[in-house]
Amino acid sequence: DIQMTQSSSSFSVSLGDRVTITCKASEDIYNRLAWYQQKPGNAPRLLISGATSLETGVPSRFSGSGSGKDYTLSITSLQTEDVATYYCQQYWSTPPWTFGGGTKLEIK
Amino acid sequence: QIQLVQSGPELKKPGETVRISCKASGYTFTTAGMQWVQKMPGKGLKWIGWINTHSGVPKYAEDFKGRFAFSLETSASTAYLQISNLKNEDTATYFCAKGNYFDYWGQGTTLTVSS
Repeated sequence: DIQMTQSSSSFSVSLGDRVTITCKASEDIYNRLAWYQQKPGNAPRLLISGATSLETGVPSRFSGSGSGKDYTLSITSLQTEDVATYYCQQYWSTPPWTFGGGTKLEIK
Repeated sequence: QIQLVQSGPELKKPGETVRISCKASGYTFTTAGMQWVQKMPGKGLKWIGWINTHSGVPKYAEDFKGRFAFSLETSASTAYLQISNLKNEDTATYFCAKGNYFDYWGQGTTLTVSS
């Protein structure tokens, strides 16, 4: 099974900061990578699919990049409403489709 | 618009069985698989498995084989997750989600297992 590793489980940021969250797959997942945002008490929300495609309605301060095994979610100028936990998930080939462990953003 | 609406919170005792429903609307039910995800308190998202809504064939993650079962009521555009022989550690919120990259999610069903 493909393992997904998010290197940071949490970190503190300031409003207006640029934030970068990384995700590494145990093998090449050919850009079959999604990013989700989850706030407490809510369902996860799909932000990005195909590693770089922003979903409709997602603010343009979010962007995704990467290829092969290594992927990144970036948030330019962090807003209050961006405080959440972010998960990567691979959907390459056949199941299981695994999630990363999550990265929780907190305000300093 | 596309919606997935799940059944309400459940309080069960160890050893009991629960069935959680996920009713889809706004798209043709059989054109996208239905995924199921577990979120335990303080933990990350864990993929339980999925069911092919066209063929009815399920696939389960290794950790969820045995007591977890998916089913469909295609005429009602509804998917079900049944968990049997409940254990305290099944206490979690369970989500259904549509498609390969989970573009729509149900609101979640909170299951509490306690004696």
